[in-house]
Amino acid sequence: KAGVTQTPRYLIKTRGQQVTLSCSPISGHRSVSWYQQTPGQGLQFLFEYFSETQRNKGNFPGRFSGRQFSNSRSEMNVSTLELGDSALYLCASSLQRGDYNEQFFGPGTRLTVL
Amino acid sequence: DAKTTQPPSMDCAEGRAANLPCNHSTISGNEYVYWYRQIHSQGPQYIIHGLKNNETNEMASLIITEDRKSSTLILPHATLRDTAVYYCIVRGTGANSKLTFGKGITLSVRP
Repeated sequence: KAGVTQTPRYLIKTRGQQVTLSCSPISGHRSVSWYQQTPGQGLQFLFEYFSETQRNKGNFPGRFSGRQFSNSRSEMNVSTLELGDSALYLCASSLQRGDYNEQFFGPGTRLTVL
Repeated sequence: DAKTTQPPSMDCAEGRAANLPCNHSTISGNEYVYWYRQIHSQGPQYIIHGLKNNETNEMASLIITEDRKSSTLILPHATLRDTAVYYCIVRGTGANSKLTFGKGITLSVRP
């Protein structure tokens, strides 16, 4: 069974631009969560999607948004990029909500904002 | 905020058991202890979780004290590939609960 895939793996943007990251969960998984990882703040929860609806949200500004499609694939968008948005963005999928013992993480997208 | 406290780092010799401690003195009755690890440049990987009984799987053992205020993750025969950051996480049940990662402990396995 294929794992969680994230595209692109690396991305370079400039301040003020916007970016869209993609996550394809493991086949059959319906919950997708997004995390931001930086050296200073560590791994922080962004949001969770299930059945095309945002179910849970972390403490991030409205510039961070996401969506989930009917096939459970998810995208996250960051608008008006700031230097501090440079981070590794991780996506994780699980069969159901709260089923963290079966939560599988993707390799991440490394975003650099110049 | 993370509800756990872990030392920042530790090391062990290859082939020996690695015992990774975690304090969670404010854990409540319905909260589980989860362990994940993150090998450099990869996404976190689930290891094990438990409520109050000791647990074992093919990767590790989890020992939870009787008062549940601390736990130890045991890697019975550490290898170089076990070098990683290990996160101890306390999480409640329910669909809205989420993983809150702390700083973790960096385990270095030396040859």
